[in-house]
Amino acid sequence: GAGVSQTPSNKVTEKGKYVELRCDPISGHTALYWYRQSLGQGPEFLIYFQGTGAADDSGLPNDRFFAVRPEGSVSTLKIQRTERGDSAVYLCASSPLGSGSVNEQFFGPGTRLTVL
Amino acid sequence: ILNVEQSPQSLHVQEGDSTNFTCSFPSSNFYALHWYRWETAKSPEALFVMTLNGDEKKKGRISATLNTKEGYSYLYIKGSQPEDSATYLCAFRNFNKFYFGSGTKLNVKP
Repeated sequence: GAGVSQTPSNKVTEKGKYVELRCDPISGHTALYWYRQSLGQGPEFLIYFQGTGAADDSGLPNDRFFAVRPEGSVSTLKIQRTERGDSAVYLCASSPLGSGSVNEQFFGPGTRLTVL
Repeated sequence: ILNVEQSPQSLHVQEGDSTNFTCSFPSSNFYALHWYRWETAKSPEALFVMTLNGDEKKKGRISATLNTKEGYSYLYIKGSQPEDSATYLCAFRNFNKFYFGSGTKLNVKP
């Protein structure tokens, strides 16, 4: 596929459970971003990867949230002991390296997480 | 926390009307300003990336202007069509972090 894909598209879980959300970026894109969008708000930055390493994880709300990108391509956002407040749309975006000083982001369709 | 504000929150117009929205952002540490269009059940789609004060960009009936000194950008849609109905997001970029506004939801009635 040509675009960013995210799986699952919808995830319903119970409070206290563990979930994993997957992002497949555009091939060759070295930068990858995770965002969380709560109802009525804009996307909120969570973490940014450059290659395999997390270049900026300052947006992760607490230590229940963790993300990995072991081979510099696919990324997984992991949420432990889910809480009802974690319910949101989780968006992933990828971006090519370079392009001068400005890189455009290409978004996936998002995963809608509902914690009951 | 950087504050990016968009107004109005929502807008209802008739087909053929022209409309505009505002994005306000900090005037310091500016790197770039991005506009996105987000239709329901689809991925956000990039419209414009703007970097220089006074930038004007155009794509079809949609155009945008940028004022980095006073910290605002306008998005204009000329002759709105029902297919323009979407949420329009702006994002202030500070190096590698993007700070989004909450969006303007546009509904164009046929």
